[in-house]
Amino acid sequence: DAKTTQPPSMDCAEGRAANLPCNHSTISGNEYVYWYRQIHSQGPQYIIHGLKNNETNEMASLIITEDRKSSTLILPHATLRDTAVYYCIAPIYGQNFVFGPGTRLSVLP
Amino acid sequence: DAGVTQSPTHLIKTRGQQVTLRCSPKSGHDTVSWYQQALGQGPQFIFQYYEEEERQRGNFPDRFSGHQFPNYSSELNVNALLLGDSALYLCASSPQGTLANYGYTFGSGTRLTVV
Repeated sequence: DAKTTQPPSMDCAEGRAANLPCNHSTISGNEYVYWYRQIHSQGPQYIIHGLKNNETNEMASLIITEDRKSSTLILPHATLRDTAVYYCIAPIYGQNFVFGPGTRLSVLP
Repeated sequence: DAGVTQSPTHLIKTRGQQVTLRCSPKSGHDTVSWYQQALGQGPQFIFQYYEEEERQRGNFPDRFSGHQFPNYSSELNVNALLLGDSALYLCASSPQGTLANYGYTFGSGTRLTVV
Protein backbone atom coordinates (compact mmCIF):
# COMPACT_ATOMS: atom_id res chain seq x y z
CA ASP A 1 0.00 0.00 0.00
CA ALA A 2 1.00 3.58 -0.47
CA LYS A 3 1.77 4.93 3.00
CA THR A 4 -0.99 7.22 4.24
CA THR A 5 -0.72 9.81 6.98
CA GLN A 6 -3.72 11.14 8.89
CA PRO A 7 -4.05 13.34 11.97
CA PRO A 8 -4.78 11.19 15.02
CA SER A 9 -7.84 13.15 16.08
CA MET A 10 -10.15 16.00 15.08
CA ASP A 11 -13.19 17.74 16.52
CA CYS A 12 -16.11 19.14 14.58
CA ALA A 13 -19.23 21.02 15.67
CA GLU A 14 -22.53 19.35 14.90
CA GLY A 15 -24.04 20.68 11.68
CA ARG A 16 -20.74 21.98 10.37
CA ALA A 17 -18.63 20.41 7.63
CA ALA A 18 -15.97 17.96 8.75
CA ASN A 19 -12.85 18.00 6.57
CA LEU A 20 -10.55 15.03 7.15
CA PRO A 21 -7.16 15.21 5.42
CA CYS A 22 -4.95 12.37 4.24
CA ASN A 23 -1.47 12.42 2.75
CA HIS A 24 -0.50 9.64 0.34
CA SER A 25 2.59 11.06 -1.34
CA THR A 26 3.88 7.66 -2.55
CA ILE A 27 0.67 6.69 -4.33
CA SER A 28 1.10 5.31 -7.84
CA GLY A 29 -0.99 5.98 -10.90
CA ASN A 30 -3.37 3.05 -10.63
CA GLU A 31 -3.96 3.06 -6.88
CA TYR A 32 -7.33 4.20 -5.67
CA VAL A 33 -7.89 6.08 -2.43
CA TYR A 34 -10.52 4.56 -0.16
CA TRP A 35 -12.17 5.94 2.92
CA TYR A 36 -13.77 3.79 5.57
CA ARG A 37 -15.06 4.59 9.01
CA GLN A 38 -15.49 2.48 12.09
CA ILE A 39 -17.98 3.25 14.77
CA HIS A 40 -17.11 1.76 18.14
CA SER A 41 -16.97 -2.05 18.12
CA GLN A 42 -18.50 -2.36 14.65
CA GLY A 43 -16.89 -3.42 11.38
CA PRO A 44 -15.43 -0.75 9.09
CA GLN A 45 -18.01 0.86 6.83
CA TYR A 46 -17.22 1.91 3.27
CA ILE A 47 -17.67 5.64 2.65
CA ILE A 48 -16.23 6.56 -0.74
CA HIS A 49 -13.30 5.97 -3.07
CA GLY A 50 -11.68 7.69 -6.03
CA LEU A 51 -8.78 7.60 -8.45
CA LYS A 52 -8.25 11.03 -9.94
CA ASN A 53 -11.48 12.96 -10.04
CA ASN A 54 -13.43 14.34 -7.13
CA GLU A 55 -16.26 12.07 -6.05
CA THR A 56 -19.52 12.59 -4.21
CA ASN A 57 -22.11 10.22 -2.86
CA GLU A 58 -24.90 10.35 -0.33
CA MET A 59 -22.46 10.11 2.56
CA ALA A 60 -19.53 12.32 1.67
CA SER A 61 -17.36 14.05 -0.90
CA LEU A 62 -13.79 13.15 -1.74
CA ILE A 63 -11.42 15.81 -3.02
CA ILE A 64 -8.17 14.50 -4.54
CA THR A 65 -5.38 16.93 -5.39
CA GLU A 66 -4.23 17.08 -8.97
CA ASP A 67 -0.88 15.46 -8.12
CA ARG A 68 -2.82 12.77 -6.16
CA LYS A 69 -0.49 13.14 -3.18
CA SER A 70 -3.27 14.04 -0.80
CA SER A 71 -7.02 13.94 -0.41
CA THR A 72 -9.74 15.32 1.83
CA LEU A 73 -12.90 13.59 2.95
CA ILE A 74 -15.74 16.02 3.50
CA LEU A 75 -18.80 15.26 5.59
CA PRO A 76 -20.96 18.26 4.65
CA HIS A 77 -23.18 18.44 7.72
CA ALA A 78 -21.69 16.37 10.51
CA THR A 79 -24.02 14.76 13.03
CA LEU A 80 -23.30 13.08 16.35
CA ARG A 81 -23.64 9.73 14.57
CA ASP A 82 -20.60 10.61 12.44
CA THR A 83 -18.36 10.27 15.49
CA ALA A 84 -16.02 7.43 14.49
CA VAL A 85 -12.49 6.52 13.45
CA TYR A 86 -11.92 7.36 9.78
CA TYR A 87 -9.39 5.41 7.74
CA CYS A 88 -7.77 6.55 4.51
CA ILE A 89 -6.30 3.64 2.51
CA ALA A 90 -4.40 3.50 -0.77
CA PRO A 91 -3.92 -0.20 -1.54
CA ILE A 92 -1.60 -1.54 -4.19
CA TYR A 93 -3.81 -2.74 -7.04
CA GLY A 94 -5.01 -6.28 -6.33
CA GLN A 95 -3.56 -6.31 -2.84
CA ASN A 96 -5.28 -6.17 0.50
CA PHE A 97 -5.96 -3.09 2.53
CA VAL A 98 -3.45 -1.98 5.12
CA PHE A 99 -5.11 0.06 7.85
CA GLY A 100 -3.25 2.71 9.77
CA PRO A 101 -4.45 4.18 13.06
CA GLY A 102 -6.87 6.53 11.27
CA THR A 103 -8.37 9.81 12.49
CA ARG A 104 -10.68 9.78 15.48
CA LEU A 105 -13.41 12.32 14.64
CA SER A 106 -15.48 13.65 17.51
CA VAL A 107 -18.62 15.55 16.54
CA LEU A 108 -19.54 17.87 19.37
CA PRO A 109 -23.07 19.12 20.17
CA ASP B 1 -29.68 -8.68 0.69
CA ALA B 2 -27.59 -9.84 3.63
CA GLY B 3 -24.16 -8.34 3.95
CA VAL B 4 -21.25 -10.17 5.53
CA THR B 5 -22.35 -12.40 8.38
CA GLN B 6 -20.00 -13.52 11.14
CA SER B 7 -20.53 -15.96 13.98
CA PRO B 8 -20.36 -16.06 16.87
CA THR B 9 -20.49 -12.40 17.88
CA HIS B 10 -18.66 -12.97 21.15
CA LEU B 11 -16.50 -15.80 22.43
CA ILE B 12 -14.47 -16.48 25.56
CA LYS B 13 -11.72 -19.09 25.43
CA THR B 14 -8.95 -20.28 27.73
CA ARG B 15 -5.26 -20.05 26.91
CA GLY B 16 -4.08 -23.05 24.91
CA GLN B 17 -7.49 -23.82 23.47
CA GLN B 18 -8.46 -23.72 19.81
CA VAL B 19 -11.16 -21.57 18.26
CA THR B 20 -13.06 -21.49 14.96
CA LEU B 21 -14.72 -18.34 13.66
CA ARG B 22 -17.12 -18.35 10.72
CA CYS B 23 -17.96 -15.93 7.94
CA SER B 24 -20.54 -15.84 5.15
CA PRO B 25 -19.67 -13.33 2.45
CA LYS B 26 -22.02 -10.86 0.86
CA SER B 27 -24.12 -12.31 -1.94
CA GLY B 28 -22.17 -12.19 -5.20
CA HIS B 29 -18.78 -11.99 -3.48
CA ASP B 30 -16.32 -14.87 -3.85
CA THR B 31 -13.25 -13.59 -1.99
CA VAL B 32 -12.92 -13.50 1.78
CA SER B 33 -10.27 -11.75 3.85
CA TRP B 34 -9.74 -11.90 7.59
CA TYR B 35 -8.45 -9.12 9.81
CA GLN B 36 -7.49 -8.93 13.48
CA GLN B 37 -8.14 -5.72 15.35
CA ALA B 38 -6.64 -5.25 18.79
CA LEU B 39 -8.18 -2.67 21.08
CA GLY B 40 -7.34 0.86 19.97
CA GLN B 41 -5.59 -0.19 16.76
CA GLY B 42 -6.50 -0.45 13.10
CA PRO B 43 -7.37 -3.83 11.59
CA GLN B 44 -4.39 -6.02 10.65
CA PHE B 45 -4.58 -8.31 7.60
CA ILE B 46 -4.36 -12.04 8.39
CA PHE B 47 -5.05 -13.77 5.06
CA GLN B 48 -7.30 -13.91 2.02
CA TYR B 49 -9.11 -16.84 0.42
CA TYR B 50 -10.27 -17.20 -3.15
CA GLU B 51 -11.27 -20.40 -4.98
CA GLU B 52 -10.80 -22.29 -1.71
CA GLU B 53 -7.11 -21.42 -1.55
CA GLU B 54 -5.12 -19.02 0.59
CA ARG B 55 -3.95 -16.34 -1.84
CA GLN B 56 -2.30 -13.76 0.38
CA ARG B 57 -1.09 -13.81 3.96
CA GLY B 58 -0.09 -11.17 6.42
CA ASN B 59 2.49 -11.41 9.19
CA PHE B 60 0.69 -13.95 11.37
CA PRO B 61 2.04 -17.26 12.72
CA ASP B 62 0.97 -20.67 11.49
CA ARG B 63 -1.34 -20.97 14.50
CA PHE B 64 -3.71 -18.94 12.35
CA SER B 65 -5.21 -20.99 9.55
CA GLY B 66 -8.29 -20.83 7.43
CA HIS B 67 -10.54 -22.53 5.00
CA GLN B 68 -12.93 -21.53 2.27
CA PHE B 69 -15.84 -23.70 1.22
CA PRO B 70 -17.40 -24.14 -2.25
CA ASN B 71 -20.21 -21.74 -1.27
CA TYR B 72 -17.52 -19.09 -0.58
CA SER B 73 -18.05 -19.07 3.19
CA SER B 74 -14.92 -19.21 5.28
CA GLU B 75 -13.54 -20.23 8.64
CA LEU B 76 -10.66 -18.82 10.65
CA ASN B 77 -8.97 -21.23 13.04
CA VAL B 78 -6.58 -20.23 15.78
CA ASN B 79 -4.69 -22.92 17.70
CA ALA B 80 -2.89 -22.73 21.04
CA LEU B 81 -4.57 -19.47 21.99
CA LEU B 82 -2.52 -16.79 23.69
CA LEU B 83 -3.77 -13.89 25.78
CA GLY B 84 -2.54 -11.61 22.97
CA ASP B 85 -4.99 -13.21 20.55
CA SER B 86 -7.80 -11.34 22.30
CA ALA B 87 -9.19 -9.04 19.63
CA LEU B 88 -12.04 -8.25 17.27
CA TYR B 89 -11.80 -10.55 14.26
CA LEU B 90 -13.24 -9.06 11.10
CA CYS B 91 -14.23 -10.80 7.91
CA ALA B 92 -14.38 -8.83 4.67
CA SER B 93 -15.64 -9.95 1.29
CA SER B 94 -15.24 -8.67 -2.25
CA PRO B 95 -15.76 -9.79 -5.83
CA GLN B 96 -12.43 -11.12 -7.10
CA GLY B 97 -10.62 -8.89 -9.51
CA THR B 98 -12.68 -5.85 -8.74
CA LEU B 99 -11.22 -4.88 -5.38
CA ALA B 100 -9.89 -1.70 -6.86
CA ASN B 101 -13.35 -0.68 -7.94
CA TYR B 102 -15.51 -1.80 -5.10
CA GLY B 103 -13.35 -2.29 -2.07
CA TYR B 104 -14.43 -4.50 0.77
CA THR B 105 -17.64 -5.15 2.63
CA PHE B 106 -16.93 -5.89 6.29
CA GLY B 107 -18.88 -7.90 8.80
CA SER B 108 -19.49 -6.74 12.36
CA GLY B 109 -16.81 -9.04 13.70
CA THR B 110 -16.33 -11.66 16.38
CA ARG B 111 -15.03 -10.42 19.72
CA LEU B 112 -12.64 -13.09 21.06
CA THR B 113 -11.48 -12.90 24.66
CA VAL B 114 -8.74 -15.26 25.81
CA VAL B 115 -8.47 -15.74 29.58
